[in-house]
Amino acid sequence: EDQVTQSPEALRLQEGESSSLNCSYTVSGLRGLFWYRQDPGKGPEFLFTLYSAGEEKEKERLKATLTKKESFLHITAPKPEDSATYLCAVPTNTGNQFYFGTGTSLTVIP
Amino acid sequence: DSGVTQTPKHLITATGQRVTLRCSPRSGDLSVYWYQQSLDQGLQFLIQYYNGEERAKGNILERFSAQQFPDLHSELNLSSLELGDSALYFCASAGPTASSEQYFGPGTRLTVT
Repeated sequence: EDQVTQSPEALRLQEGESSSLNCSYTVSGLRGLFWYRQDPGKGPEFLFTLYSAGEEKEKERLKATLTKKESFLHITAPKPEDSATYLCAVPTNTGNQFYFGTGTSLTVIP
Repeated sequence: DSGVTQTPKHLITATGQRVTLRCSPRSGDLSVYWYQQSLDQGLQFLIQYYNGEERAKGNILERFSAQQFPDLHSELNLSSLELGDSALYFCASAGPTASSEQYFGPGTRLTVT
C-alpha cells in the first residue's frame, strides 16, 4: 500500500541549530514529492516540489532533497519564525489524490 | 495569500444540522480538493473535482457531499452533523496536470455542539 511516513513527529531546536526532517514514501512511480509548511489553524503553504532523485531545491533557510525512497528537508540556522508543522505529500499513480504525511512539528527556541 | 478563498471562516452549529462550506479556486485552476483536519490529526482527503466532474473520492462519509459549479467554485455539504465532525475543512486548488502542486485556502473551522 502506498504510504508516506514522516519523522520525527516533533523536533525542538535552539535558534541556529541546524537539523533535518525526513519523509519516506513507498508509492510506486513517483510523480513528484511536495513539501508544505502549516502554521496552527492555517492552511498548508506550498514550499517545494521535487520530481527526481538527486534533485534539490532551496528557499531561504530550507533545502529539500530527494532520493529514490525518501526526501529530507534541511533547516539551516533556524529562527523562531520557522516554527511550524512541515508536511510532505505524494500523488497517487493516477494523480487524483495526494497522500499527506502526518507532519513534523518544529519548534525553534530563541 | 494562496489565491484560494473559503467561506465562512468559522461555523458553529448543533448536532443534526446541515452546513455548506464554500471554496473558490485560484484563477485558472480547474481542480478542487477537499480535506478534513481534526485536532492533532493529519489531512484526510475527502473528494476531488475537476472542471465540474468528480474525479476521486477519499474517506468521505455518506452524510457529506460536494459539487463544483460551472464557475469552478465548489461547495461541501455536511449533513446530520455529529460532534466528531468538528474539524478544520480545507479546500485546495491545483493546475492542469495530475501531479500539479495544490494551493490551500485558509480553511473553515467547524464546531459542532
